[in-house]
Amino acid sequence: DGGITQSPKYLFRKEGQNVTLSCEQNLNHDAMYWYRQDPGQGLRLIYYSQIVNDFQKGDIAEGYSVSREKKESFPLTVTSAQKNPTAFYLCASSVDRGGDTEAFFGQGTRLTVV
Amino acid sequence: GENVEQHPSTLSVQEGDSAVIKCTYSDSASNYFPWYKQELGKRPQLIIDIRSNVGEKKDQRIAVTLNKTAKHFSLHITETQPEDSAVYFCAALGYSSASKIIFGSGTRLSIRP
Repeated sequence: DGGITQSPKYLFRKEGQNVTLSCEQNLNHDAMYWYRQDPGQGLRLIYYSQIVNDFQKGDIAEGYSVSREKKESFPLTVTSAQKNPTAFYLCASSVDRGGDTEAFFGQGTRLTVV
Repeated sequence: GENVEQHPSTLSVQEGDSAVIKCTYSDSASNYFPWYKQELGKRPQLIIDIRSNVGEKKDQRIAVTLNKTAKHFSLHITETQPEDSAVYFCAALGYSSASKIIFGSGTRLSIRP
């Protein structure tokens, strides 16, 4: 798990502002994901990317945007269009190399709207 | 689309007893099945995984079984301890260029002293 890093750990946003959450991995993983987790709830997929310069919407993409310009990086922007952004955001990465498959999470970013 | 169903959503067991969490997946191309443990406020941590060419895997008090025909896999925790209390997620990942990891909805396990 040490090869995937999210920053910052805590983030505060004023209403109407965009904020960007960072996710970097040095595991040479092809796929990267963003999940939102609300208190006591499961993981909801926001966006995922299986290859550089390509990404797909997940179940709750509205109000979020992503980019995948480098294999190592998959930043998530929470826009002002996201009406209830306070949550715990988790980034994950995975690779499937036949017999060598793995998937790990970053340590998470807790976003609070103030 | 691909789906992983996880049951139960909550589970309470007496310390020392066993706990079993079950998952069913829909994508027959799935070939990797990890389990994650998430403690409060922390990231999900990989605790054990199993690949499609294996029926069972054990690591001390934790074991995972896989039935590819029925498309289900289970996590077994024996001799439960208070530190086993957490949320557990199962997942499935397929072997294809279009594969993405699919998570179950989670099981909140509580160990009663």
